[in-house]
Amino acid sequence: GNSVTQMEGPVTLSEEAFLTINCTYTATGYPSLFWYVQYPGEGLQLLLKATKADDKGSNKGFEATYRKETTSFHLEKGSVQVSDSAVYFCALSDRWPGNQFYFGTGTSLTVIP
Amino acid sequence: DAGVTQSPTHLIKTRGQQVTLRCSPKSGHDTVSWYQQALGQGPQFIFQYYEEEERQRGNFPDRFSGHQFPNYSSELNVNALLLGDSALYLCASSLTGWADQPQHFGDGTRLSIL
Repeated sequence: GNSVTQMEGPVTLSEEAFLTINCTYTATGYPSLFWYVQYPGEGLQLLLKATKADDKGSNKGFEATYRKETTSFHLEKGSVQVSDSAVYFCALSDRWPGNQFYFGTGTSLTVIP
Repeated sequence: DAGVTQSPTHLIKTRGQQVTLRCSPKSGHDTVSWYQQALGQGPQFIFQYYEEEERQRGNFPDRFSGHQFPNYSSELNVNALLLGDSALYLCASSLTGWADQPQHFGDGTRLSIL
C-alpha cells in the first residue's frame, strides 16, 4: 500500500540555520509527491510538489527532490526565518482512480530569533 | 478568486448526535475530498466525490457519508457521533482528480464531541 514516513519532531532552529526534514514513502505505483505547510488554526497550504523521479520542487526558498532510488522527498531550506515556524507535512498522491492523498504525521518547526 | 470555504468553523456536539459539515470548492474545481485530522496527526482520507458520486473511500465506517451537489459543493455527514470523532475536518478540492494536481485545502471545521 501507500504510506509516508516523516522524521519525528519537534524541530527547533535558530534563525538563518539550515533545515532538513526527512520524508520517505512507500507506493505501489508512480505517485506525485508534495510538501504542505500548516500554520496554527489554518488548513494546509501547498508548499511545493514533484510529479516524477528526479524532479525538484521549489518555493519560497524551500526545495525537495523526488528520489525514486531511495524513495525519499526530503525538504530543505538554506536559511530559515521566524515566519517559517509551522507544521510541515509530506504527502503522496496516487494516480488512479483519483488523487487520494496520503500524509505523514507532520513535523513541527519552531524558529527562534 | 475564492479558495476552498468550509462551514461552520467550530462545532460542539454530544455523543450519539449527527452532524453535517459543508464545503465549497475553489472556483473551477470539480473534485472534493474530505479528511479527518486528529490532534498532532496528519490528515486521514475519508472519501472523495467527483461528478456527484463517491469515487474513493478511505478506512472509515459507514457512519461517515457524503454528498456532492451539481455546483460541486459537498457535505460530510457523520451519524452516531463518538468521542473519537473529535478532530479537525478538512475539505480539499482539485481539478479532474489526476495525481499531479495539488489539492487545495480549506481551513477546516473543528468538531468537538462531549
